[in-house]
Parts: sequence; C-alpha cells; structure tokens
Amino acid sequence: KAGVTQTPRYLIKTRGQQVTLSCSPISGHRSVSWYQQTPGQGLQFLFEYFSETQRNKGNFPGRFSGRQFSNSRSEMNVSTLELGDSALYLCASSLEGLPQETQYFGPGTRLLVL
Amino acid sequence: AQSVTQLDSQVPVFEEAPVELRCNYSSSVSVYLFWYVQYPNQGLQLLLKYLSGSTLVESINGFEAEFNKSQTSFHLRKPSVHISDTAEYFCAVSDLWRGKLIFGQGTTLQVKP
Repeated sequence: KAGVTQTPRYLIKTRGQQVTLSCSPISGHRSVSWYQQTPGQGLQFLFEYFSETQRNKGNFPGRFSGRQFSNSRSEMNVSTLELGDSALYLCASSLEGLPQETQYFGPGTRLLVL
Repeated sequence: AQSVTQLDSQVPVFEEAPVELRCNYSSSVSVYLFWYVQYPNQGLQLLLKYLSGSTLVESINGFEAEFNKSQTSFHLRKPSVHISDTAEYFCAVSDLWRGKLIFGQGTTLQVKP
C-alpha cells in the first residue's frame, strides 16, 4: 500500500497570505489528523477528521481550518499567515482514529512565512 | 489532562554502546503509549507501542520499551546502537479523544563513531 502523501513538500509565503496543504491518507484509512511541528513548541495537534466531519480540535486560532473529502483526502488551510506559522505540518492517517490505533505519518509540508 | 515528559533533549552515545531514552507520562486513566522516530527531513515512523498485556514491547530493529505503571514511565532502550539510529525520538500517549496523540518534546539521539 502507498503511504501517506502530502503536497506540496515545501512552501514559501509572505505574511497576510493564505495557504492550503493537502494530505492523501493510506487507502482504507478514514481518519486524518494534522499536527504542527516547531522547534519551540514541538508537535502539537491541530485537528482530526473522520467521514468528512471534524471530530476533534486542538488549541489553535480560527485561522487554521480544514476539511475532508468523501475519498478521505484532507486539506488544511491557514489564512492571514503570521511569521509564527512557519513550521512543518504533518498529517497522519489511521483506520478509525481510535486511541489504540497506530497513526501513520506523511513526510510533511514545510511552510516558511516571510 | 494527559502529558508526556521526555527527560533528555539530547543523548550522545558512541556506536555499539547501550542507550536509554526516558519518557514519563501523566494520566489518570488507562493509556496507550507509543514511540516514534523521525529521521532528518522525514515524517514520523512508529517504532513500537504498548496497548495492553506484556509490559515489555519490542521493535524489529532491536529497540525495546517497558511500560511501568507505578512509575508512569515508558523508557526506550537499545543494547547496542548503530550510526543509523541517529534521529529524533518522540514518546507519545494517545488521548481519549479520537485521533489525537500527545507528544513529548523529543530526544535527539546522536550516535558517534
């Protein structure tokens, strides 16, 4: 099976712009979770989608949003970018999103905000 | 609230030496625990996990971790490390809310020749 894929791998944006990142889960996986990784804050949970519904959300401002499509592919959007949004954004997929399931991570999208 | 503490941010060790990466968690309920590894410019890969049963869990590449409920720890060990083990290692606990992992700050393992 193909692994989790994320596009694009690298992005450079300027403050105030918006960005959309894409994630394709492993075939058959219906849960997609998003994480932000920074040197200062480490890995932080953004949100989780299952069957096109957001089931869980972390402590991020409303500028961070996402959605999931009927084929389980997911996108996340960040509007009005700030310098502090520079990070590696990782998505992970699992079968049902249950606590005991393994989450499989993609390679990430590295976002640089100038 | 659940949390994870990795006690060492960096662990330098010589090749073929043993290593232990420490992880403590706080949780008032049953937990599922994970160790992930991240190589440079890559995503996270599962190393091993504890769900229930035997408190000692092993990975295919020689790592093992022991779940200790009384000490709320899940330390990762390897008896003999290789240069290729150089990476960042993350301990995580699965939140009761679906689809959410809570990670420690990570430990960089630096294996020297």
